[in-house]
Amino acid sequence: GAGVSQTPSNKVTEKGKYVELRCDPISGHTALYWYRQSLGQGPEFLIYFQGTGAADDSGLPNDRFFAVRPEGSVSTLKIQRTERGDSAVYLCASSLTSLAGDSTDTQYFGPGTRLTVL
Amino acid sequence: AQSVTQLDSQVPVFEEAPVELRCNYSSSVSVYLFWYVQYPNQGLQLLLKYLSGSTLVKGINGFEAEFNKSQTSFHLRKPSVHISDTAEYFCAVSDRDRDDKIIFGKGTRLHILP
Repeated sequence: GAGVSQTPSNKVTEKGKYVELRCDPISGHTALYWYRQSLGQGPEFLIYFQGTGAADDSGLPNDRFFAVRPEGSVSTLKIQRTERGDSAVYLCASSLTSLAGDSTDTQYFGPGTRLTVL
Repeated sequence: AQSVTQLDSQVPVFEEAPVELRCNYSSSVSVYLFWYVQYPNQGLQLLLKYLSGSTLVKGINGFEAEFNKSQTSFHLRKPSVHISDTAEYFCAVSDRDRDDKIIFGKGTRLHILP
């Protein structure tokens, strides 16, 4: 079946511009995660959704970053006033369910969006 | 808070030789442990995970890892590597009681030498 998809695969923008990155999770997966992977580093957690609500947004670096998941499926990560330091690969993952005390479901990752801020 | 340390950023190994990729973690709570692999130009893929029970976990592609609570380690091993194992390997941890973020190590790049 279809995995997690992310669009665009590559995005080049200029400093100060606004960008939106889209994630389509696996159908039926209620949990959705965003991570950021900078060059030479492991993925870094940004935000996690359970359904439509952000259950944990502690990884968002500042208020220029925002994410939504209005219908509990597709999610959009929005970055305002982009800076060169935002350049990274943005990864999305989804899992079937996410219940406290039952953290056994595998997170499936998408291919990522490579964001380059000039 | 949890953290993961992968001691080796790169590991060169001859084809058909055994390999061990080291991983240590720190956490004040009980954890789940994972190894993910990232092949060139591909997304992250789960190799194996430790949830509970037997401390020796077998994964895909002949890999296995052993959870050692006293040493807070979760080293990844394969008895005989192939060229196709060339990839970046990430050790990761999550809080057993909260199913949100996975904390990743910085990764170890496995180079298979012919």
